[in-house]
Amino acid sequence: EAGVAQSPRYKIIEKRQSVAFWCNPISGHATLYWYQQILGQGPKLLIQFQNNGVVDDSQLPKDRFSAERLKGVDSTLKIQPAKLEDSAVYLCASSLATGAGYEQYFGPGTRLTVT
Amino acid sequence: AQTVTQSQPEMSVQEAETVTLSCTYDTSESDYYLFWYKQPPSRQMILVIRQEAYKQQNATENRFSVNFQKAAKSFSLKISDSQLGDAAMYFCASHPDYNTDKLIFGTGTRLQVFP
Repeated sequence: EAGVAQSPRYKIIEKRQSVAFWCNPISGHATLYWYQQILGQGPKLLIQFQNNGVVDDSQLPKDRFSAERLKGVDSTLKIQPAKLEDSAVYLCASSLATGAGYEQYFGPGTRLTVT
Repeated sequence: AQTVTQSQPEMSVQEAETVTLSCTYDTSESDYYLFWYKQPPSRQMILVIRQEAYKQQNATENRFSVNFQKAAKSFSLKISDSQLGDAAMYFCASHPDYNTDKLIFGTGTRLQVFP
């Protein structure tokens, strides 16, 4: 079974530029998550999708971050414009469904450096 | 706000010995899930063990076991017969909300294993 795929693996941009990350979840997984992991901290949920609907985006900085999950499969996370404090690893995860403590499967992450 | 606290930034253990990683959490829910995730260097995060709060029996997975103290809101991970491959960041996480699968992560404990 293929795991969660993410691209790119690394990205370096200057502040005020825009960037987009892509995630392909495990086939058949209805729920998709984007987490932000700042160096020295645990991951923090940015947004959760159930199929192509948003379940939780309460911690997404909506003035600069946006995410979509078209057709309930792949997802993109965009930052525009980027700030220095957005430097982090962006993790995508997927699970079979929502509720009942389903295991979340994580991708390798995209390491973003904003200079 | 729900919080998860890992008070040990780093731990070390000799190969074949036993080590315990600590975690405390705060929740007002009566039923919830708790998890330990492992994040090896430059590799993706994987689930180590899961505990459902209403279950009295502590979860075990081969060499990994937990000591779940619900009243004290404590959830420690014990690794027996430590192996070099156990070296990683370990994150404790809670899943306090049955409406979403939002995970609240601690700051992590870096485990070093010495031969």
